[in-house]
Amino acid sequence: GENVEQHPSTLSVQEGDSAVIKCTYSDSASNYFPWYKQELGKGPQLIIDIRSNVGEKKDQRIAVTLNKTAKHFSLHITETQPEDSAVYFCAAQAGNQFYFGTGTSLTVIP
Amino acid sequence: SAVISQKPSRDICQRGTSLTIQCQVDSQVTMMFWYRQQPGQSLTLIATANQGSEATYESGFVIDKFPISRPNLTFSTLTVSNMSPEDSSIYLCSVTGQGAGELFFGEGSRLTVL
Repeated sequence: GENVEQHPSTLSVQEGDSAVIKCTYSDSASNYFPWYKQELGKGPQLIIDIRSNVGEKKDQRIAVTLNKTAKHFSLHITETQPEDSAVYFCAAQAGNQFYFGTGTSLTVIP
Repeated sequence: SAVISQKPSRDICQRGTSLTIQCQVDSQVTMMFWYRQQPGQSLTLIATANQGSEATYESGFVIDKFPISRPNLTFSTLTVSNMSPEDSSIYLCSVTGQGAGELFFGEGSRLTVL
């Protein structure tokens, strides 16, 4: 089955700096890659996604890049704000199944 | 995106008892799933809730421990049976959207077993 690895597990940045979270996957059949933000006490919220026919997607301060050849994808958050502090999960979909990374706890220091 | 409501949002239960978690979606959805998130961990798929038939369980999860119902396209329940402290987790209901298959989550049910 699919195996998704996520790094780093924790990340601290100064407010206004950029944050990058990276994920790799193993199954070349995976074709959809969402990112989720989970705030304390809440369920995961879909914040951005990318499909295998696209290399990059941007939505305001967040962007995702995909390298199909290398089987890795990354989340980029620019101009970070304290409200960006949360746990972020990447995922890969193969068929009807979603496989999740182990999460990155992001802290934005004011 | 679909609005997913879970009840209860949290509960504290005694060892050996059972608890049923309800998931209500504001629109008809094809696929509904139940995930477990143990403290500080990632999301693990328990089962796919199939409308009108038995749920499909992932390796390590069995129907006797986690019976699931799905009587229609908007509602499902997950029961955690004969609970032990190891069952203390967040249980999440999720559905795929009607569009391109995005996966959405409810707010979760936080279960503590004493």
